[in-house]
Amino acid sequence: NAGVTQTPKFQVLKTGQSMTLQCAQDMNHEYMSWYRQDPGMGLRLIHYSVGAGITDQGEVPNGYNVSRSTTEDFPLRLLSAAPSQTSVYFCASSYSNREGQYFGPGTRLTVT
Amino acid sequence: AQSVTQLDSQVPVFEEAPVELRCNYSSSVSVYLFWYVQYPNQGLQLLLKYLSGSTLVKGINGFEAEFNKSQTSFHLRKPSVHISDTAEYFCAVIKTTDSWGKLQFGAGTQVVVTP
Repeated sequence: NAGVTQTPKFQVLKTGQSMTLQCAQDMNHEYMSWYRQDPGMGLRLIHYSVGAGITDQGEVPNGYNVSRSTTEDFPLRLLSAAPSQTSVYFCASSYSNREGQYFGPGTRLTVT
Repeated sequence: AQSVTQLDSQVPVFEEAPVELRCNYSSSVSVYLFWYVQYPNQGLQLLLKYLSGSTLVKGINGFEAEFNKSQTSFHLRKPSVHISDTAEYFCAVIKTTDSWGKLQFGAGTQVVVTP
């Protein structure tokens, strides 16, 4: 199993550009989520999904969109990048809230 | 919503010395608790978890944690650290009745192990 994969590993955007961060898992997990990690702030939940076709907002959803058309994939879209979105983004998946989450390797995004 | 406080942002420790990382949470109801480790430039990896039962939980790499309901704490310990334990450690908590999206992470504790 590849586990949770994320692409790209690094990305530089200009303010106002849009892009999609890809996330895929091959463990047949129903639960998937996107976090951003900023120094001294831990991980903050952006959006999450409890199954194909079902998504919900987390703590910091503004400026981001998600959709989940399959169990395996959960892309995160930045609609119009802003410097405040400079961060490291992690995708995670799990069976349930009793289980630990499996994290991807992260995408480091810089918005200039 | 519950909150998680990691009391130390950075913990320097000498190789082969013990280390304790403190985690307190705010919730009056039953919770599940987790500790994760993040090595440099990597994603998070689960160290251990508390769901119910015995309050002393053993995890990978020689780590253990003790759940204290009265003090709402879940401190992580290792009796003898290695250089390779240099990493950031995150405590996380979720109420047992909450949906999966409500998992809350602490701000993290950076452990720096020196020879």
